[in-house]
Amino acid sequence: EAGVTQFPSHSVIEKGQTVTLRCDPISGHDNLYWYRRVMGKEIKFLLHFVKESKQDESGMPNNRFLAERTGGTYSTLKVQPAELEDSGVYFCASTRSSGRGTDTQYFGPGTRLTVL
Amino acid sequence: AQTVTQSQPEMSVQEAETVTLSCTYDTSENNYYLFWYKQPPSRQMILVIRQEAYKQQNATENRFSVNFQKAAKSFSLKISDSQLGDTAMYFCAFMRRDNYGQNFVFGPGTRLSVLP
Repeated sequence: EAGVTQFPSHSVIEKGQTVTLRCDPISGHDNLYWYRRVMGKEIKFLLHFVKESKQDESGMPNNRFLAERTGGTYSTLKVQPAELEDSGVYFCASTRSSGRGTDTQYFGPGTRLTVL
Repeated sequence: AQTVTQSQPEMSVQEAETVTLSCTYDTSENNYYLFWYKQPPSRQMILVIRQEAYKQQNATENRFSVNFQKAAKSFSLKISDSQLGDTAMYFCAFMRRDNYGQNFVFGPGTRLSVLP
């Protein structure tokens, strides 16, 4: 079974430009999460999809960030326009839908975003 | 709001020795889960071990074990017989389980170096 994949692995852009990050969860996983780690700080939750619906987007920092998951498969996270403080590593994770208990979150390798 | 603290930014241990990574958390909830994730230099973050708060018995996974002290809100990770492949960033994570799904709160991480 293929793991969670993310593209690109590294992106360098200038302030004011737009960047789109992509996450492909494990096939069959309904839940998809986005996290980010700003340099030297803890990993912070951004949002959670259940299939194509945004279940919780309380962690999205501002309206420059737009996440989509059309069709409930892969997800994109667009930053427009990018600011210097957006630099960091963006992680994606997925789990199966579970009615009780907890499923292991499988993480992707992350996309390192550098805004110059 | 929940918080997770890892007071050791960096640690090192000799190969074959034992090392303990500390983690404390703050929550008012009674039902939750705790995790240790590792992120090797190759960047894929993987689950090391997890603990359900309602279980008094400490979780173990081969050379990895935890010391879960619920009253003290402490969740340390012990790595026995350390191996070079254990070199990684280790993140402690708290997860509440609410009606909206799973949402991790991560600590800032501890960088562990296993020395030959």
